[in-house]
Amino acid sequence: SAVISQKPSRDICQRGTSLTIQCQVDSQVTMMFWYRQQPGQSLTLIATANQGSEATYESGFVIDKFPISRPNLTFSTLTVSNMSPEDSSIYLCSVGQPNTGELFFGEGSRLTVL
Amino acid sequence: QKEVEQNSGPLSVPEGAIASLNCTYSDRVSQSFFWYRQYSGKSPELIMSIYSNGDKEDGRFTAQLNKASQYVSLLIRDSQPSDSATYLCAVNENNAGNMLTFGGGTRLMVKP
Repeated sequence: SAVISQKPSRDICQRGTSLTIQCQVDSQVTMMFWYRQQPGQSLTLIATANQGSEATYESGFVIDKFPISRPNLTFSTLTVSNMSPEDSSIYLCSVGQPNTGELFFGEGSRLTVL
Repeated sequence: QKEVEQNSGPLSVPEGAIASLNCTYSDRVSQSFFWYRQYSGKSPELIMSIYSNGDKEDGRFTAQLNKASQYVSLLIRDSQPSDSATYLCAVNENNAGNMLTFGGGTRLMVKP
């Protein structure tokens, strides 16, 4: 499976600020996904990051709040904009194995918003 | 709305016992099923994939799938304290690429 690196691994942020999370993969992948895991909860898909086109957002998530970039086949960023304490979560970058449908995750970025 | 349901637990088993984790899903067209293990503070790690009805064994782990009943389970034989974690069930449809819908997870505690 691909090696997926995320940074920052954790951060403490002030309300109203924005933070960009980076995801680097060691091989070219067609689709990258961003998930959120709120405290004590399971994973929720935020959006699919498509190379060369705009990200596809799931219900309840909008581009203004979670802008995503995908400049090439090995890199993506997720920005959490105008943060509030409700945005305190683990944000996970993931890539898929097309033949099997399996999904692999980066180490995650734990954000705490004060 | 696709749903994947798991008992949140905690499921407590003694060391050496069999742990049985269950998952039901609502979307009949789901074709691929996965079990992830997540240790506290870590990201999910894929431990089993299953695509057809029946059992699939990998070491101490056995995944069981029954599409007619929309039910998938994970058995862990000879449970060890190191198996203590949250186990997440995930499903997807063939035409959904790698987009998975996750259950809420079951917390497993294996007591020495």
